[in-house]
Amino acid sequence: GAVVSQHPSWVICKSGTSVKIECRSLDFQATTMFWYRQFPKQSLMLMATSNEGSKATYEQGVEKDKFLINHASLTLSTLTVTSAHPEDSSFYICSAASGATNQPQHFGDGTRLSIL
Amino acid sequence: AQSVTQPDIHITVSEGASLELRCNYSYGATPYLFWYVQSPGQGLQLLLKYFSGDTLVQGIKGFEAEFKRSQSSFNLRKPSVHWSDAAEYFCAVGGTSNTGKLIFGQGTTLQVKP
Repeated sequence: GAVVSQHPSWVICKSGTSVKIECRSLDFQATTMFWYRQFPKQSLMLMATSNEGSKATYEQGVEKDKFLINHASLTLSTLTVTSAHPEDSSFYICSAASGATNQPQHFGDGTRLSIL
Repeated sequence: AQSVTQPDIHITVSEGASLELRCNYSYGATPYLFWYVQSPGQGLQLLLKYFSGDTLVQGIKGFEAEFKRSQSSFNLRKPSVHWSDAAEYFCAVGGTSNTGKLIFGQGTTLQVKP
């Protein structure tokens, strides 16, 4: 149980395009979803926290207009990288939490984004 | 400030040898503690977690970790390492709600020699 699906797993696109990444909780309802960014050989940096039906909370230094997050349902959150540029190339990972007591967050398999 | 420190960036052990990965944390309240493993190009898999109770927790794949409040540590151990254990390991700390954000350590890369 507790499967989180992230799609696509890998995307390559031209500079200036927008890219949407989906994060789905397949067998539980996720009241909260998190989006992380990971640079090569580095740790995960939290970008934002999203709660279903409300605006995402962004971490300091993360451009909310650049990284649009939508959490429209209890099983789906999306991250849209708008007008992507090469410096946005990275590994993006989502996680989902049900809000149940003593249950950990569950992570997706990540999306490798490469901007040419 | 809340933080997690994994002092060892890279560790190499021989297959069959024992393993200990260190994790120290700084947190203002009683933390939830986690160890995750990441294979190249993959997401994170939860190895084990500590929420409360017995300070020695058992996880998957033969891993265990011990919470030591006095040392602010949560070290990961395995008595006999397998070649398939080679990966990146992350320690993380979070609040008492699973909808609170996690703070990750820098990660430790484990290499296993045949």
